[in-house]
Amino acid sequence: DSGVTQTPKHLITATGQRVTLRCSPRSGDLSVYWYQQSLDQGLQFLIQYYNGEERAKGNILERFSAQQFPDLHSELNLSSLELGDSALYFCASSIGPSPGYGYTFGSGTRLTVV
Amino acid sequence: GQQLNQSPQSMFIQEGEDVSMNCTSSSIFNTWLWYKQDPGEGPVLLIALYKAGELTSNGRLTAQFGITRKDSFLNISASIPSDVGIYFCAGLMDSNYQLIWGAGTKLIIKP
Repeated sequence: DSGVTQTPKHLITATGQRVTLRCSPRSGDLSVYWYQQSLDQGLQFLIQYYNGEERAKGNILERFSAQQFPDLHSELNLSSLELGDSALYFCASSIGPSPGYGYTFGSGTRLTVV
Repeated sequence: GQQLNQSPQSMFIQEGEDVSMNCTSSSIFNTWLWYKQDPGEGPVLLIALYKAGELTSNGRLTAQFGITRKDSFLNISASIPSDVGIYFCAGLMDSNYQLIWGAGTKLIIKP
């Protein structure tokens, strides 16, 4: 158990729908990162939040949004889902704003869009 | 954007063999990280490197921060079945930037 909790583990939904993925960071970590990993692909950075504020944005689609709440948990909202959005979505956390010491990943949410 | 070239893309090895993989870039990095991902799981940090020329070990794994700061290497000695998975390198140019990831090296052990 890495200490980063992601729910749900699996999600199946239809095209056009909207889903919310949830992440609780490791105790004491203030940064949350979201990544997308499509089948047999690498890790694509989506967005980072640090202590409630957006800190960095990667290749995140306009249909996707995220936020970090006062208790530091984060949610990734995916809307108008397309087949190509099927992927593993990982959350990771770190103590500070920089990933320089590496960060800890959760076990992911597998999203299947049908 | 910036890219890390990670090679090889995949490796088929016999149990007991040594393994080598590397990441290269045209840019200079201040930090190199090596992660391993088991199927269906999130990546786990194996080794972190912070200084050019640094050589760091974690059990049978040894990683090096290239002297030019543009590359890093990971070696696994005497591979065992639980070494299978995908190994990712990640580099950080500056603390104000995000990690840049390699595409991964998939390690498969021949039966």
